[in-house]
Amino acid sequence: DTGVSQDPRHKITKRGQNVTFRCDPISEHNRLYWYRQTLGQGPEFLTYFQNEAQLEKSRLLSDRFSAERPKGSFSTLEIQRTEQGDSAMYLCASSLGTSGTEQFFGPGTRLTVL
Amino acid sequence: LAKTTQPISMDSYEGQEVNITCSHNNIATNDYITWYQQFPSQGPRFIIQGYKTKVTNEVASLFIPADRKSSTLSLPRVSLSDTAVYYCLVGDLNRDDKIIFGKGTRLHILP
Repeated sequence: DTGVSQDPRHKITKRGQNVTFRCDPISEHNRLYWYRQTLGQGPEFLTYFQNEAQLEKSRLLSDRFSAERPKGSFSTLEIQRTEQGDSAMYLCASSLGTSGTEQFFGPGTRLTVL
Repeated sequence: LAKTTQPISMDSYEGQEVNITCSHNNIATNDYITWYQQFPSQGPRFIIQGYKTKVTNEVASLFIPADRKSSTLSLPRVSLSDTAVYYCLVGDLNRDDKIIFGKGTRLHILP
């Protein structure tokens, strides 16, 4: 296991379609984070999991967004009824959850909504 | 969460030392200072983290004055491949759930 992986790397969809992204964290990491990043901006926090429990959600995470981490390992982020404003890079990160340790980021999934 | 202020952009030349300063006046006692680097179309990459004084690793140094209200990331002898966006974060990445990245500093290295 060499790092956080995300799939797919790129996704192009039409407005109104549903999309699902997957994140595989570093295996021993119990925390998993989702961020969204638009052009010229820094990553914005969406939600995070401690093992399988989703502990925090940003107000950016509308009802059309849902995230799961069913067995405390990989996570999925689903966007329903996509809108053009959902076009962004979706980043996943994982960490040990220990104070002072860093988050390791995946390569991201670039979503384009036409 | 402590808010950070850093320059929007900086230019430098290959072989030079680059220093990027970040202000964080309301840093809390338990907060760490962490710097990330991000290349286009990639996720951020951890560079260095510190709490006080000076920290050095194989990539960079981080200088933190006694009052901890600012910090300086120092990149020795930069190359073209150091062109990236650098983010200064203040907090505990595992305590503060909503880490704020800000817009970062766009560093452009010229030949």
